[in-house]
Amino acid sequence: AQSVAQPEDQVNVAEGNPLTVKCTYSVSGNPYLFWYVQYPNRGLQFLLKYITGDNLVKGSYGFEAEFNKSQTSFHLKKPSALVSDSALYFCAVRDIDTDKLIFGTGTRLQVFP
Amino acid sequence: GAGVSQSPSNKVTEKGKDVELRCDPISGHTALYWYRQSLGQGLEFLIYFQGNSAPDKSGLPSDRFSAERTGGSVSTLTIQRTQQEDSAVYLCASSLPVFRAHSYNEQFFGPGTRLTVL
Repeated sequence: AQSVAQPEDQVNVAEGNPLTVKCTYSVSGNPYLFWYVQYPNRGLQFLLKYITGDNLVKGSYGFEAEFNKSQTSFHLKKPSALVSDSALYFCAVRDIDTDKLIFGTGTRLQVFP
Repeated sequence: GAGVSQSPSNKVTEKGKDVELRCDPISGHTALYWYRQSLGQGLEFLIYFQGNSAPDKSGLPSDRFSAERTGGSVSTLTIQRTQQEDSAVYLCASSLPVFRAHSYNEQFFGPGTRLTVL
């Protein structure tokens, strides 16, 4: 069965510093991987996806993620964090038998001024 | 155009009552999904509609939960005889269909309906 894991419940980073939010996956076959962000009292917003091609994927709001097949990881990164990046981040993988998304438990990112 | 909309945004009900949650997907999106986000939990898949195909109901937690999609557009999630453990945010998402391999259309989410069962 497909699954994703987000090992950190919360990540704290100072504004201007680089940030990383971790995600590892377990799938049979080629993974379709996604990152979504949830701001307070709002729905999920799509950030980026990896389907095939370049391992470094660029997405919205300056975020990027690197697909690493050997480490089965898809960590979300940003070179310089903003206070406005503070939100709940979800990693997800597509279930290959259906089209549903299987989500991680989420990581709360807190960026301090 | 408009994004996915859901109504109501908040719903407070008493244990044992039935509730209906509505989702209006993005126009032209033939795929529609319902998820549940419980406090301290991740996002849990509930049900998936794709065009005229039979829905994938594998995520529905009990037979008190049902959903329908009329005319391939609006969807209603119904919870009968609500229980306190049904309290959660119910999220709807829609996407374009997948036509070919190595392609996948991202899901666009609505703002959710926060359900509180007293």
